Amino acid sequence: QVQLQESGPGLMKPSETLSLTCTVSGGSVSSGNYYWTWIRQSPGKGLEWIGFIHYSGGTNYKSSLKSRVTISIDPSKNQFSLRLRAVTAADTAVYYCAREIQGYSTTWYDYWGQGTLVTVSA
Amino acid sequence: DIQMTQSPSSLSASVGDRVTITCRASQTIISHLNWYQQKPGKAPNLLIYGASSLKRGVPSRFSGSGSGTDFTLTISSLQPEDFAIYYCQQSYTDQSFGGGTKVEIK
Repeated sequence: QVQLQESGPGLMKPSETLSLTCTVSGGSVSSGNYYWTWIRQSPGKGLEWIGFIHYSGGTNYKSSLKSRVTISIDPSKNQFSLRLRAVTAADTAVYYCAREIQGYSTTWYDYWGQGTLVTVSA
Repeated sequence: DIQMTQSPSSLSASVGDRVTITCRASQTIISHLNWYQQKPGKAPNLLIYGASSLKRGVPSRFSGSGSGTDFTLTISSLQPEDFAIYYCQQSYTDQSFGGGTKVEIK
């Protein structure tokens, strides 16, 4: 059974850089058919895709966040990470890591972490 | 970016009711549409992928239909464990989610 677990700080100050790590167990981040993804959900609001990384190193980011986001992968630790620069209160959210699987005709998220709340406050 | 619009944003229904949720994309996404269920404090859980394919283990009372820009999630007979928030998600270009539909007890 694949499991994903987010880790990182729960409280941050404006202008700091958020760093979150997702540790994968029961599967390998080096598998070819998966895209390792970050998604966030602001309190009481909907879901927002942040971006993904493939084990080959290829990435794709939401256009409105592209200037502040970096997603990286470490196959030796079976982890992938998110860095979000210059955070503001608007970045307060539950951050999820998820695995996107490439199916026959489309892709979907089949495994998610439990989520970690990040609060940005002075 | 492709915008996903769900309706209604919330609904009240009784156990046994037939419930329909719609999702409209701002441009064609062919059949690259997935549906998720989210319960309080939990991550979303996949129900339907590719617009109409039921994930293994999901009850058959859930079904999905549509293509192009208009899609539907139907729960044929609402059960107590189905009270939750439902999201559609397109995977055609980048990714984006609908705003969610909260299904509440009437």
